[in-house]
Amino acid sequence: ELKVEQNPLFLSMQEGKNYTIYCNYSTTSDRLYWYRQDPGKSLESLFVLLSNGAVKQEGRLMASLDTKARLSTLHITAAVHDLSATYFCAVEVDSNYQLIWGAGTKLIIKP
Amino acid sequence: DTEVTQTPKHLVMGMTNKKSLKCEQHMGHRAMYWYKQKAKKPPELMFVYSYEKLSINESVPSRFSPECPNSSLLNLHLHALQPEDSALYLCASSLGPGTRSPRTFGSGTRLTVV
Repeated sequence: ELKVEQNPLFLSMQEGKNYTIYCNYSTTSDRLYWYRQDPGKSLESLFVLLSNGAVKQEGRLMASLDTKARLSTLHITAAVHDLSATYFCAVEVDSNYQLIWGAGTKLIIKP
Repeated sequence: DTEVTQTPKHLVMGMTNKKSLKCEQHMGHRAMYWYKQKAKKPPELMFVYSYEKLSINESVPSRFSPECPNSSLLNLHLHALQPEDSALYLCASSLGPGTRSPRTFGSGTRLTVV
């Protein structure tokens, strides 16, 4: 059974600091997605990682994928309050439409 | 148009009511999904339609009945729900099978069953 583990599950940090969220998964896949969810809102697609070594950056967020280590990271650089949200990683297995989700990381960035 | 539109945004229904949730997309996506999300949890897949045919039903109780009238529309018919069915119901779409594309989510329907 494919499992996806995110850590940490909760992160409180100061503005201006850097931090990394980790997403480990238990079986072979080269399709990994990162989503953001604000409280009471829907899910916003952040990054699509489709190959080993893929790196994507958008503003202060950078995501990477190491398929050999079965690990993706979401790095936050010089955090700002607006990045406070819950971040989910999700791994796609084959083409059967199933996304296996991590539990989510609740990120609070204090001014 | 890069949106998935869901209506209504909020719904309160009694356990004997029948209601429907609606979802629409005009991105040419051929896969459409219903997810259920409880507070502080990741979304759970309920149903998948691929090219307007039901591809996946994740052992969802029959009180939830999906319908895909055409490639742009997806409905979820609700009947005799239980209070534990209260949740955020999310519709999503993606390009289709084998396309390795992300799901685009609608804003959701917040459902409360009383």
